[in-house]
Amino acid sequence: EDKVVQSPLSLVVHEGDTVTLNCSYEVTNFRSLLWYKQEKKAPTFLFMLTSSGIEKKSGRLSSILDKKELFSILNITATQTGDSAVYLCAGGNSGNTPLVFGKGTRLSVIA
Amino acid sequence: DADVTQTPRNRITKTGKRIMLECSQTKGHDRMYWYRQDPGLGLRLIYYSFDVKDINKGEISDGYSVSRQAQAKFSLSLESAIPNQTALYFCATSDYTNRGRNEQFFGPGTRLTVL
Repeated sequence: EDKVVQSPLSLVVHEGDTVTLNCSYEVTNFRSLLWYKQEKKAPTFLFMLTSSGIEKKSGRLSSILDKKELFSILNITATQTGDSAVYLCAGGNSGNTPLVFGKGTRLSVIA
Repeated sequence: DADVTQTPRNRITKTGKRIMLECSQTKGHDRMYWYRQDPGLGLRLIYYSFDVKDINKGEISDGYSVSRQAQAKFSLSLESAIPNQTALYFCATSDYTNRGRNEQFFGPGTRLTVL
């Protein structure tokens, strides 16, 4: 059975800290790993990774995929209170079945 | 994402009532999904549809049914609502022709409370 496991489940940091969120996956015919951010509304897309070792960056957020060890990390540097959210990781295959979501990591950034 | 809309946005109902949640999209996507979200349990897939004639059960389909009325519309029904169906429900879409991306786009959610 396909599964995606995220850790930690929750995290509290102070503004300015750097955080690393983890995602491991077991997805048949794996093709892509996606990260979403969910505040008090619908999840919004952050990154999609398909190749190992290539870092995706968007401002203070970055992510990398390791297809050999079957995991991805999401880094957030110089955290701000606006980064407080649930971060979801999902694994996708060649398109025959829906994305498999992890349970998410709840990040709280305090001033 | 305004391209995926859900109605109603909030609903309070009583045990035993039949409830329909509706989802519409203007993205032109062929694939649509229904999820529920509960604290600590993440997103759980209820049903999904890869085209108008295709309906598939997800991991928690018991107590739910769906109808794909058109490519742009996908409805979720609770035939006889029960309190443990109280949750946040999301509709999502994706594009088969661009399936290499796998990306799903979510509606704003419907908060359902069953008393």
